Amino acid sequence: EADIYQTPRYLVIGTGKKITLECSQTMGHDKMYWYQQDPGMELHLIHYSYGVNSTEKGDLSSESTVSRIRTEHFPLTLESARPSHTSQYLCASKLSQGLSSPLHFGNGTRLTVT
Amino acid sequence: DQQVKQNSPSLSVQEGRISILNCDYTNSMFDYFLWYKKYPAEGPTFLISISSIKDKNEDGRFTVFLNKSAKHLSLHIVPSQPGDSAVYFCAASLSFGNEKLTFGTGTRLTIIP
Repeated sequence: EADIYQTPRYLVIGTGKKITLECSQTMGHDKMYWYQQDPGMELHLIHYSYGVNSTEKGDLSSESTVSRIRTEHFPLTLESARPSHTSQYLCASKLSQGLSSPLHFGNGTRLTVT
Repeated sequence: DQQVKQNSPSLSVQEGRISILNCDYTNSMFDYFLWYKKYPAEGPTFLISISSIKDKNEDGRFTVFLNKSAKHLSLHIVPSQPGDSAVYFCAASLSFGNEKLTFGTGTRLTIIP
């Protein structure tokens, strides 16, 4: 079973607040990803990292930012939350073994911005 | 532009029967396909995958079929069990080295006891 942890699980916050969604994995995976999913919709890649000090934008434009200072930690930050940021955010990781190594997902953070 | 499509948002199947979930894709460059399963309040978990060099991959009760000419893949679950009730996501990826996944919208499978 994958060991990838996201906190908080649920977050309700007011407009304009700064928030950080935490993601940590204990598997030593070098690749990490953030996906965003709205109910009934597909998962959209918003950020990914190939390793320490590597961060890339995903396919879906996002006002969030990420950092990768340590292999195991890949936090996502919203400087000023807005209601349009309400969504579920899923963190994932994988080994650099090509496509045969599947993504392991955390349980997600459900964010509601009021 | 949705490159991976799951046109059935939901499916109900009697316990013990076969469940067939379908997925279509538009990008002919995709050459690796995966199915993920998601329970409520949990993240997706990997189920089974298939490379474009194959047309079938089997793992226990789960079989994935790939029809490249039709740009279609399907997941067969037999026999279906109540624990299979979940949302199933189809995902596709470009060739080796580009490991970003493009997901479908999911199909909610309900197994009726």
